[in-house]
Amino acid sequence: QKEVEQDPGPLSVPEGAIVSLNCTYSNSAFQYFMWYRQYSRKGPELLMYTYSSGNKEDGRFTAQVDKSSKYISLFIRDSQPSDSATYLCAPYSGGSYIPTFGRGTSLIVHP
Amino acid sequence: NAGVMQNPRHLVRRRGQEARLRCSPMKGHSHVYWYRQLPEEGLKFMVYLQKENIIDESGMPKERFSAEFPKEGPSILRIQQVVRGDSAAYFCASSDTGDEQYFGPGTRLTVT
Repeated sequence: QKEVEQDPGPLSVPEGAIVSLNCTYSNSAFQYFMWYRQYSRKGPELLMYTYSSGNKEDGRFTAQVDKSSKYISLFIRDSQPSDSATYLCAPYSGGSYIPTFGRGTSLIVHP
Repeated sequence: NAGVMQNPRHLVRRRGQEARLRCSPMKGHSHVYWYRQLPEEGLKFMVYLQKENIIDESGMPKERFSAEFPKEGPSILRIQQVVRGDSAAYFCASSDTGDEQYFGPGTRLTVT
């Protein structure tokens, strides 16, 4: 079992839809959780950074962490074609600054 | 504030040559990380450096690969005697505190 699992997709949704992107992990030491967005042939861009369980909202994006079930979610409201990208979850433990990246989920938002 | 810069953006090397990849972190950032990304795969950690020190190189192949982050100048990832399997996108990220990492645009290495 990989430490961080993501469904690679692609996930195809119409413009304006609410998108749910998910990630599971196996390492209970993970305490910090990052979400990155990566456009084709570009570097990853940090979207959200959360610590421990709970929700964090930033504009149209909400990150949710459930440490009891080792489940991480990223919600995108009112999705736009410009949101079409690969979304990577990247948790890490407090004792290390090295995140473990999921393979990423490809999202396509069509007009 | 300029972001993380990497050069070259594209690099073509023949088998057996050396590849040298450069990374200039964001201003004020002293933590640098190198990752490799293969098609259809996630980012794989290679090495974590702070100024003049290698903090964690657990993801770096034991042979042919080396990295440095000198007191002055960019961080360098060096791959000696490249092979076809080294073809990949290499990303550098930097951080000021060691947690949130900001990525550069990457260097795409092609070995012919």
